Amino acid sequence: EVQLLESGGGLVQPGGSLRLSCAASGFIFSNSGMSWVRQAPGKGLQWVSGISGSGGNTYHADSVKGRFTISRDNSKNTVYLQMNSLRAEDTAVYYCARDSGWLSVFWGQGTPVTVSS
Amino acid sequence: EIVLTQSPGTLSLSPGERATLSCRASQSVSNNYLAWYQQKPGQAPRLLIYDASSRATGIPDRFSGSGSGTDFTLTISRLEPGDFALYYCQAYGVSPRTFGQGTKVEIK
Repeated sequence: EVQLLESGGGLVQPGGSLRLSCAASGFIFSNSGMSWVRQAPGKGLQWVSGISGSGGNTYHADSVKGRFTISRDNSKNTVYLQMNSLRAEDTAVYYCARDSGWLSVFWGQGTPVTVSS
Repeated sequence: EIVLTQSPGTLSLSPGERATLSCRASQSVSNNYLAWYQQKPGQAPRLLIYDASSRATGIPDRFSGSGSGTDFTLTISRLEPGDFALYYCQAYGVSPRTFGQGTKVEIK
């Protein structure tokens, strides 16, 4: 059974940093690309970042480029999202997803991030 | 960046009725890499349809997708109580992968 368990969310002040983690199980992790997608309160879905199975290719939305970094540790079956210089508009539930090619086929339950003073 | 516009914003229907949801792209979606997701309150999105018309594993056949190029449709042939939810379309295959703003299917 595929499982994705996000952690690391919480309350942070504007300008602060957080690192989200997503622990995966139930599939061959190194064969799958992974993504982070967020959803602001009461709003729609926004793709944030993606990474290839090897970790050699990464992609970021323009709104987070230069502030967020996606990475993975295939020995730990875990994908990360390092978020720096956080802004109020980054407040959202952050979901990690298992990709098949460019398609997100399975999503975790999400971890909430609140950026507020 | 591909901009996806979903319509209507809200669809009010009764169980057993047919639901037709639209997703229009600002430019042609390459290889018809268009997906539909269902999201219920407090839950993660679930993949329903990919490649515009292929059902994901375990998705009942009352859900169907159609369309190509810039115009896509999700049809739910006979609404069941568990189908009342939010539905999002997504263009994938290029970065950034974009979502539509969503269509809410509510009980009339």
